[in-house]
Amino acid sequence: ELKVEQNPLFLSMQEGKNYTIYCNYSTTSDRLYWYRQDPGKSLESLFVLLSNGAVKQEGRLMASLDTKARLSTLHITAAVHDLSATYFCAAQGRFGAGTRLTVKP
Amino acid sequence: DGGITQSPKYLFRKEGQNVTLSCEQNLNHDAMYWYRQDPGQGLRLIYYSQIVNDFQKGDIAEGYSVSREKKESFPLTVTSAQKNPTAFYLCASSILYTGELFFGEGSRLTVL
Repeated sequence: ELKVEQNPLFLSMQEGKNYTIYCNYSTTSDRLYWYRQDPGKSLESLFVLLSNGAVKQEGRLMASLDTKARLSTLHITAAVHDLSATYFCAAQGRFGAGTRLTVKP
Repeated sequence: DGGITQSPKYLFRKEGQNVTLSCEQNLNHDAMYWYRQDPGQGLRLIYYSQIVNDFQKGDIAEGYSVSREKKESFPLTVTSAQKNPTAFYLCASSILYTGELFFGEGSRLTVL
């Protein structure tokens, strides 16, 4: 069964700074997903990465996938408070533990 | 509007009681899933179904049961055999198994 690991699990950032969240998975998967969860809410889909080398960008977030390294990254550029949430990566129905991001002014 | 509807949103039950959580989707998706989320934790897969009348155990199926008699519906029963049932339960669906997941709003179960 595929296992997914994320790091860091907690991330406190200043507004305007950049940072990267990492997602490793244990067995072959040609697709990887990123989701966002706000406190007390359900999950919403952020990015769908369907092939090696895939890169998707939405606003201040950019996700990429390297299937050979079994690694996906979620890069945050010039963080703003609205990005504060928990971010999950997932593959084959399995989720990482999540990265709880707090953006401070 | 297309989407996934979970009910009830909040549920309280006494120890020893079974409870059934409803999940209905009108997205015409083949695959459906149930996840459990404990406070501050990630999502753990309970059961999934790739097609009507078929389902498979996930990573934490003990104490839970499901059925998939209709494409649109995938109810989850939390039985008295589940020792720590208090949690947030999320239902999801996808066009195909391992596809992008679409989530319901969740059901929060508290055992008194």
